[in-house]
Amino acid sequence: GAVVSQHPSRVICKSGTSVKIECRSLDFQATTMFWYRQFPKQSLMLMATSNEGSKATYEQGVEKDKFLINHASLTLSTLTVTSAHPEDSSFYICSARDLRTSGGAGETQYFGPGTRLLVL
Amino acid sequence: AQSVTQLDSHVSVSEGTPVLLRCNYSSSYSPSLFWYVQHPNKGLQLLLKYTSAATLVKGINGFEAEFKKSETSFHLTKPSAHMSDAAEYFCVVEGQAGTALIFGKGTTLSVSS
Repeated sequence: GAVVSQHPSRVICKSGTSVKIECRSLDFQATTMFWYRQFPKQSLMLMATSNEGSKATYEQGVEKDKFLINHASLTLSTLTVTSAHPEDSSFYICSARDLRTSGGAGETQYFGPGTRLLVL
Repeated sequence: AQSVTQLDSHVSVSEGTPVLLRCNYSSSYSPSLFWYVQHPNKGLQLLLKYTSAATLVKGINGFEAEFKKSETSFHLTKPSAHMSDAAEYFCVVEGQAGTALIFGKGTTLSVSS
């Protein structure tokens, strides 16, 4: 089956630093990737939709200057948390759709294992 | 707008007994619905999905769900729980075709021996 990886799996950083999280589709190409955030014991909340070769679309309330998204190729999207603060500590999950089947209703999204960010 | 409501935040069953995880949805059009499972320290895994074909959908690991339009429900069931089924389960509705997924708050399933 389709596999999505994320790197790193966990990261601890100091307040004020920037952290980059990578999301890769390993055996398929994805024009669209999604970034979600999950707080402890809560559901996933969509942060942004990442489109290869164009600007990401951010959900209401998500600061685009703080959460920089780059989708430079059909297999890689990155999320950079700039000037991280303790309230940014969370579990970040990406998902991707297979280019070959994109656009249809009910299409399966493949999820990465997530990145746990802790900002001290 | 689309939304899902998972009616139970926590369900506890004994091994070998049936599992029922309840989900109601709201959608302005015929929705695509999914159930995902999340095990600790693992990625989300698709259990099954409904996309306007058969209303009874069979998934992996013996799970199935029935789409009931009249009740706006998509409950997840399994005849006999296994210890390995203990995890977090999410009922999910798709946004407008081809867009992002909207997750319910999740149901924690505990299985005791």
